[in-house]
Amino acid sequence: QITLKESGPTLVKPTQTLTLTCTFSEFSLSTSGVGVGWIRQPPGKALEWLALIYWNDDKRYSPSLKSRLTITKDTSKNQVVLTMTNMDPVDTATYYCAHRGGSGPGRFDYWGQGMLVTVSS
Amino acid sequence: QSVLTQPPSVSGAPGQRVTISCTGSSSNIGAGYDVHWYQQLPGTAPKLLISVNSNRPSGVPDRFSGSKSGTSASLAITGLQAEDEADYYCQSFDSSLRGSLYVFGTGTKVTVL
Repeated sequence: QITLKESGPTLVKPTQTLTLTCTFSEFSLSTSGVGVGWIRQPPGKALEWLALIYWNDDKRYSPSLKSRLTITKDTSKNQVVLTMTNMDPVDTATYYCAHRGGSGPGRFDYWGQGMLVTVSS
Repeated sequence: QSVLTQPPSVSGAPGQRVTISCTGSSSNIGAGYDVHWYQQLPGTAPKLLISVNSNRPSGVPDRFSGSKSGTSASLAITGLQAEDEADYYCQSFDSSLRGSLYVFGTGTKVTVL
């Protein structure tokens, strides 16, 4: 059974950089076609896709947040790391990582439990 | 910011049928990109409910069904049950001059009366 789990700080100050780690099991990011994405959800609001990294190190970002995001992978550790710079209170949200499955753009078929990140001074 | 529009809420009595629409445009659903649906129970992570427009992953009850036509898609729940009370989101892919990205719907809260 594929599992993913997010980790990182639960509280960051405005202007700081957020670093989140997604640790996964039962699949490998060195397998052709595999991808891991990050999605966030502000309290009471809809889901918003942030970034995705593929097995071949191809990286995709939300155009509106691209300048602030970096996604990397460590295949040996089964981890994907997302950094978001210049955090603002509007970035307060539950951040999820998810396994991307299927062909083409695909879908997110396995999700982590999510972690709430609060941006406040 | 969502480019896929859903009704904020739908409701029905146990046993009834409810449908949730997901309206997109020519740069996402209308461009031929698949639509997927997620169920989010209160306080939990989203769960894939329908993939590739109409396919149910293993373990998803057959009272859930999906369809896609033109620039829209729909999720139907027949024989509504109390445990179906949740938020539901559609998801597709959007590609335009503004860039390419995964897009989610605005979300629909299903209430079982």
